[in-house]
Amino acid sequence: DAKTTQPPSMDCAEGRAANLPCNHSTISGNEYVYWYRQIHSQGPQYIIHGLKNNETNEMASLIITEDRKSSTLILPHATLRDTAVYYCIVRADYGGSQGNLIFGKGTKLSVKP
Amino acid sequence: SQTIHQWPATLVQPVGSPLSLECTVEGTSNPNLYWYRQAAGRGLQLLFYSVGIGQISSEVPQNLSASRPQDRQFILSSKKLLLSDSGFYLCAWTSGTEAFFGQGTRLTVV
Repeated sequence: DAKTTQPPSMDCAEGRAANLPCNHSTISGNEYVYWYRQIHSQGPQYIIHGLKNNETNEMASLIITEDRKSSTLILPHATLRDTAVYYCIVRADYGGSQGNLIFGKGTKLSVKP
Repeated sequence: SQTIHQWPATLVQPVGSPLSLECTVEGTSNPNLYWYRQAAGRGLQLLFYSVGIGQISSEVPQNLSASRPQDRQFILSSKKLLLSDSGFYLCAWTSGTEAFFGQGTRLTVV
């Protein structure tokens, strides 16, 4: 079973920041937070991941709370092409191998003009 | 660069017919390989994963099987398809912290 909880859907105006929350209250010390998104009828696309520090790349920023029980994915300037289902996943790192990616139901983000 | 090939893109098969979906990976060695299924309007369900040639782990008991005859080849099979096997099947590989997905096969069992 997925170890994360996300709202089923969110709307965002084009050009505004999209903030997608995720709860992972049972996360353990060796588990990373990963974010993927799936545009309709395509395979999931990797966005970003982190352990405890905030992370930023060309696609998004990831903010992880100090207790690591929740996180927020931020798309700074949402476009219509960002409309997709966004999955938050916790995945273990065993120092040489990683755990499986177990997907929940995700958040369907609709970016509106 | 690493790429993942999955085919066919779409498939319509009658109930009771066999199934073989193939996935190959390029540009990496000894990847972890995965098969996922996504039923209409639902999330991705992990079906099988493999950490090496001939090593298959099943996450959900069902009408499907998987094989890994070569390091970068992962095959999903069924001897007799059921209507409930319809869905979007995705192959994925991981090597390190990232995972990459194929473009999927949309299977319709009629």
